[in-house]
Parts: sequence; structure tokens; C-alpha cells
Amino acid sequence: GAGVSQSPSNKVTEKGKDVELRCDPISGHTALYWYRQSLGQGLEFLIYFQGNSAPDKSGLPSDRFSAERTGGSVSTLTIQRTQQEDSAVYLCASSLLHAGRDRYNEQFFGPGTRLTVL
Amino acid sequence: AQSVAQPEDQVNVAEGNPLTVKCTYSVSGNPYLFWYVQYPNRGLQFLLKYITGDNLVKGSYGFEAEFNKSQTSFHLKKPSALVSDSALYFCAVRDRYSGAGSYQLTFGKGTKLSVIP
Repeated sequence: GAGVSQSPSNKVTEKGKDVELRCDPISGHTALYWYRQSLGQGLEFLIYFQGNSAPDKSGLPSDRFSAERTGGSVSTLTIQRTQQEDSAVYLCASSLLHAGRDRYNEQFFGPGTRLTVL
Repeated sequence: AQSVAQPEDQVNVAEGNPLTVKCTYSVSGNPYLFWYVQYPNRGLQFLLKYITGDNLVKGSYGFEAEFNKSQTSFHLKKPSALVSDSALYFCAVRDRYSGAGSYQLTFGKGTKLSVIP
């Protein structure tokens, strides 16, 4: 009955390095989301997965950002050639399949990964 | 496009007093509306949602929210605030008629609630 888990909890990297952030959703949740939380900016949507496919990548800020999901479970968000403006808390959320117009299931969030780019 | 406004960056309330955290939204159709709470160094926790039906929604920890379509608002309320309610509160919206394949929520920037003993 574990919730959404993310690793690492904190990541400090140097500008220009690549980083990988991991998300383990709640078992049985087919929908998975990545958000970015910057100071004073609220939550910014990055990408949505349904199973292993990503029908909505509209929030990825640049081609340095990519994500994949395997086995309908674990997801990895990769940021290449990190920049200082990438510093933020990256949140992952999962939910049950949304079945029907009036069946929008709430998202459950992980604790986040705090990324600091020096 | 969908958007959310939380007009107050910070709300201060004395313990035992009623609290209100304001939220207004904009969608092209009908909304799904949510409130989440974030405690320090923690992820967001779901409080309550409005999907359809009764405009007054009751959620976790004694919180409730009222959907007001004419005012496009979904204010969060609690009759008697506790010091432990101090946290960051986020309102979120999704347009019911958003295109298929995208279920992202749009969040407000958050309101910091401080309950003073």
C-alpha cells in the first residue's frame, strides 16, 4: 500500500551535466504525470503518460527534457545539459484510469526530487 | 485554455477562527476542481474535488469547498482552524471538455496559510 515514491530526494549537479529522476507510481495506476514546482511559480505540467505512451508532452520546456515509462510502471525524467533555470522540485503523480467524462480520478503525488544546478 | 487564480499569496488566521482560501478559475467548458495541501518538504496531498452534483464538497481534515459557477469560484473553507492546518494550499482545475489524451491539471500558484496560536 505504498504511495508514489521518487528518487533521489535531492540532487545537486553542475551546469551541463545530465540528470535522471525516477518515479515509482502506486501499483495499478495507469496514469502518470510529471510536474515542476519552482519557487513562487506553482506547479507546471511537464508530461502525461497513459501506460507506456505519452499522449501529452506539451509541458516539456525544451528538447533537453525527455521522459519514458516502462512496463506501465516506473518512469524516468531525464534532463540533459542541465541549466541553472532547471533548478526546481520535480513532482511525480499517478492516478487510476479516467473512465468516462464524470470519472476524473484525483492524482496522488510523490514527495518530489529537489534539483539544484550549480 | 484553462487557468486558476489564487489571489492571496498568504492568509493568516487565528486558531479556532474560520478560514477561507480563495480560488477562481477559467475554463471554456465546465470544470473539474481540486484542492491539494502541501506540508513542508512533502508532496501534495489531495483534500477534495468537485466533479459533478452538489456544489458543496466535503473533504479531508474538516475542509470543504463550494463550487459557484456564476462567480467561477471554488473557495476552500474550514469552520475552525487548527495550528496544524498551516501549510501551502493549491487549487487546480481541468476543463471537462479538454481534448482526449490529456488529463493534466492546471494549478494555481498556491496560498500559504498560517494559523496563529
